[in-house]
Amino acid sequence: SAVISQKPSRDICQRGTSLTIQCQVDSQVTMMFWYRQQPGQSLTLIATANQGSEATYESGFVIDKFPISRPNLTFSTLTVSNMSPEDSSIYLCSARGGEKLFFGSGTQLSVL
Amino acid sequence: AQKVTQAQTEISVVEKEDVTLDCVYETRDTTYYLFWYKQPPSGELVFLIRRNSFDEQNEISGRYSWNFQKSTSSFNFTITASQVVDSAVYFCALRRWTDKLIFGTGTRLQVFP
Repeated sequence: SAVISQKPSRDICQRGTSLTIQCQVDSQVTMMFWYRQQPGQSLTLIATANQGSEATYESGFVIDKFPISRPNLTFSTLTVSNMSPEDSSIYLCSARGGEKLFFGSGTQLSVL
Repeated sequence: AQKVTQAQTEISVVEKEDVTLDCVYETRDTTYYLFWYKQPPSGELVFLIRRNSFDEQNEISGRYSWNFQKSTSSFNFTITASQVVDSAVYFCALRRWTDKLIFGTGTRLQVFP
């Protein structure tokens, strides 16, 4: 199994600012993903973080708003840019370990 | 279209009761995977089970059991003798041949002492 550390665990940010969320996996993984969980909602895939190349974004999500980096097989970052209150959500990193998909503990973001 | 439906938004039971969480999925793929995750109040997603489309054998793990029926496109989850620690939101999810998970809307289970 893979252990995923995500930080910060929570943050309160001002409108118009940006926040970078870090995700560290304790072993090399082929696939890493970023999900968003809006209050009381299910999880929605934002993008697949590709090692050494640009992330693959899902419909409704764009690189300018959610730039993602993945410099190696164990680390990725997600930036939420120019935040608005609508960005208040839990952001979760996940990684594929074998046939299982593991998740970090999430970053609870509140935008004022 | 790929879709996962968890019709039960919230279930409340008293400790030691058995409870079944329903999951119905839609896919045209012949190869796919089904998952259940638990999200306790702390927020992390805990992997519970993965089942592939070729394996309809039901599974039991302690107080947990899963009933996979392709004929009805269902993958239901039963907790036997529920405990307060089972209180959480439970998500059913579908994965196609890619690695993208499609989640249901979740069922919030509250177990009262």
